[in-house]
Amino acid sequence: SQTIHQWPATLVQPVGSPLSLECTVEGTSNPNLYWYRQAAGRGLQLLFYSVGIGQISSEVPQNLSASRPQDRQFILSSKKLLLSDSGFYLCAWSVPLGQTNEKLFFGSGTQLSVL
Amino acid sequence: AQTVTQSQPEMSVQEAETVTLSCTYDTSESDYYLFWYKQPPSRQMILVIRQEAYKQQNATENRFSVNFQKAAKSFSLKISDSQLGDAAMYFCASHGSGSRLTFGEGTQLTVNP
Repeated sequence: SQTIHQWPATLVQPVGSPLSLECTVEGTSNPNLYWYRQAAGRGLQLLFYSVGIGQISSEVPQNLSASRPQDRQFILSSKKLLLSDSGFYLCAWSVPLGQTNEKLFFGSGTQLSVL
Repeated sequence: AQTVTQSQPEMSVQEAETVTLSCTYDTSESDYYLFWYKQPPSRQMILVIRQEAYKQQNATENRFSVNFQKAAKSFSLKISDSQLGDAAMYFCASHGSGSRLTFGEGTQLTVNP
């Protein structure tokens, strides 16, 4: 069966420090991978998605970047964190069944607090 | 571009009763899918139900069903026989060709014993 691992679960970082959040998927190959951010009490905002190794699409300009060094590994990074980067970050994957028939499966999330 | 609107930030229901969560969307696509996701206090996102826009029949998953009104671009979720475990934030989402999944702002559902 397919599983998705996301870590760490919580992270407290000072402003200006670097960030690296990792997500890995098991039990499937060539998944679509996603990073979402959720502000407190709000909906999900898509940050990045990837349809293959080294292929990254950014949905919004920001202080963050993403990389996909391996088929089932997706990394969210920042060189210098801002206060506004605080939030709940969710990794997700899907097996594309068609351009519109895409069910997302989410990781357990990382709560990032930038102080 | 797609937009999804959930006009009810909060809803409450008595245990064993029925509740309906509203969702409207706007899309220029002719082929798209609609989803309801549930986010309990654990914050894990869980797929509740999915509707293909080309299907007239409303999707049903056990106690969860939708009322899909394509012309009105409305996609409401009905929860029957509500249980305490249904308490969560519910998100409506749409997905069209050439775009990614777009989420609404969510409705916080409280189930009262």
